Amino acid sequence: TQLLEQSPQFLSIQEGENLTVYCNSSSVFSSLQWYRQEPGEGPVLLVTVVTGGEVKKLKRLTFQFGDARKDSSLHITAAQTGDTGLYLCAGSPDSWGKLQFGAGTQVVVTP
Amino acid sequence: NAGVTQTPKFQVLKTGQSMTLQCAQDMNHNSMYWYRQDPGMGLRLIYYSASEGTTDKGEVPNGYNVSRLNKREFSLRLESAAPSQTSVYFCASSGARGVYEQYFGPGTRLTVT
Repeated sequence: TQLLEQSPQFLSIQEGENLTVYCNSSSVFSSLQWYRQEPGEGPVLLVTVVTGGEVKKLKRLTFQFGDARKDSSLHITAAQTGDTGLYLCAGSPDSWGKLQFGAGTQVVVTP
Repeated sequence: NAGVTQTPKFQVLKTGQSMTLQCAQDMNHNSMYWYRQDPGMGLRLIYYSASEGTTDKGEVPNGYNVSRLNKREFSLRLESAAPSQTSVYFCASSGARGVYEQYFGPGTRLTVT
């Protein structure tokens, strides 16, 4: 059972367009992380959000943590082909160090 | 800085064979993890080790065993491989308590025929 539901599962857009990926849960998380994974490689951490309502920006990527700490979104402005990858959200529901991962959103940016 | 390393990168086994996947990290992290990744299912935790000398089951531990050899190394063993264990296996480590940001190795692609 997936505690974290990601949507959409797949997103194909053209370079220059904007996109938003969502990560939702009925559970409260003490922190939430976003990772990007490229083919044949392990996931790489993009950001961690810990405070309800928090917004973090990483160049063209904007991450938001919901006020109730149950959901998060990732917005990419003016997407580039280098943004292509599998985006995974992961939450820590307790203090024991285990993460729950969403199934991921595959983003394809075409020239 | 090597980060998290895994060996082998690829492996093909016949049903019933055994093998050990090796993982090492050079970041002095306390916690280490083994995940499997299957299409459409994200990453599922197999086993984890919160600190040297301790291990605990994750979401999908059946058919696997682990050993935390020392602070650096955490191995995953398949005693009798089954086709259902065909997957990509990732090792990860984490150092910061409370947030548990994880650093992943490059993965082992395992096929069981």
